[in-house]
Amino acid sequence: DAGVIQSPRHEVTEMGQEVTLRCKPISGHNSLFWYRQTMMRGLELLIYFNNNVPIDDSGMPEDRFSAKMPNASFSTLKIQPSEPRDSAVYFCAIQGDTGELFFGEGSRLTVL
Amino acid sequence: GNSVTQMEGPVTLSEEAFLTINCTYTATGYPSLFWYVQYPGEGLQLLLKATKADDKGSNKGFEATYRKETTSFHLEKGSVQVSDSAVYFCALTGNTGGFKTIFGAGTRLFVKA
Repeated sequence: DAGVIQSPRHEVTEMGQEVTLRCKPISGHNSLFWYRQTMMRGLELLIYFNNNVPIDDSGMPEDRFSAKMPNASFSTLKIQPSEPRDSAVYFCAIQGDTGELFFGEGSRLTVL
Repeated sequence: GNSVTQMEGPVTLSEEAFLTINCTYTATGYPSLFWYVQYPGEGLQLLLKATKADDKGSNKGFEATYRKETTSFHLEKGSVQVSDSAVYFCALTGNTGGFKTIFGAGTRLFVKA
């Protein structure tokens, strides 16, 4: 059963601090996606990986955001330095054989 | 580029009413189409899918048919329940230039008892 574990579930930090969000597919998958969800902008694709290689990072808002996928079982999304406008729910998802996505429960980030 | 347009919400219905949420798409090639549902405080869950023209996806009483001639994938349910209250997202995954998934803006559904 495909699934994704994200951590932390909630993070509250102050502006300027570094934030690292983690994603761990329960079974190793080659395609992994990071999305951001806000009321104003809805669901935005930030970056996606295939075979651990970033394929499209055009959605990454700016240089403060970076993502890595060192292996098929782990990925991180880092924001440094964080700003209040980064407050959102960040989702990680893996892709099934016919293109369907399996989402984690999300990491809710609040930057004060 | 690919895009998905779905009807704006919120949609408010009484229990046992008929539901339709419209979704149209623009895509090159032959995308796969999906409906996802999001309950409060949770991630999106796959509700149903269709991978080629004229396919009908169905799950939990919900249905949607992949109509290539009208580029549509409307979601329907004959009799909604209070527990169906959620946000519904239409999405497509392209099969050219990578397998990026594009989502619509989401439609919030409220079902009253």
